[in-house]
Amino acid sequence: GESVGLHLPTLSVQEGDNSIINCAYSNSASDYFIWYKQESGKGPQFIIDIRSNMDKRQGQRVTVLLNKTVKHLSLQIAATQPGDSAVYFCAENISSGANSKLTFGKGITLSVRP
Amino acid sequence: KAGVTQTPRYLIKTRGQQVTLSCSPISGHRSVSWYQQTPGQGLQFLFEYFSETQRNKGNFPGRFSGRQFSNSRSEMNVSTLELGDSALYLCASSLGPWTGQRKLFFGSGTQLSVL
Repeated sequence: GESVGLHLPTLSVQEGDNSIINCAYSNSASDYFIWYKQESGKGPQFIIDIRSNMDKRQGQRVTVLLNKTVKHLSLQIAATQPGDSAVYFCAENISSGANSKLTFGKGITLSVRP
Repeated sequence: KAGVTQTPRYLIKTRGQQVTLSCSPISGHRSVSWYQQTPGQGLQFLFEYFSETQRNKGNFPGRFSGRQFSNSRSEMNVSTLELGDSALYLCASSLGPWTGQRKLFFGSGTQLSVL
């Protein structure tokens, strides 16, 4: 089964507000995390990533926070825009010897109200 | 640089048939992963190929198989289709299979409907 899960299936925010999407993971050996955005009819699109030796990473309007103590990952979107409406997935990478695999959470729908 | 290309975009098959899906990775990417996406199960890992070798495999029956060619292009095959195989099949490429190269770039997928 999946080791990555999301706290809520849907999130509705007002345009211009900040959004926070949370993700819990269960494998303390996960060494790399990625957030993806998927719009209708398209494949997942890379947003931002973070390695396990970091706590925070910032991109353009997005920030990913990693709390290894409680195995929690969050994606913060500043000044949410209608174009941010999509399904968001967190993914964790677990390395085992020479192999590694990216496992995805179920996804959360972000809906932006005008 | 062209993105990941998947063909065909849509497929309709009947139970018992087989299907082959194709994926062309981003130029320079040597690793190709396949995922099945359904509304109920989300993104499920099928398998990954690197240098024409399967490096990793998910929990899918043997009806699901794949291969990779010397130019890194990949195909996946599903034999004896079942209704439950209806899904969006996504291909993703990356530079390689190791953590530092694990950023996946996805194609738009092939939407398979089994009737």
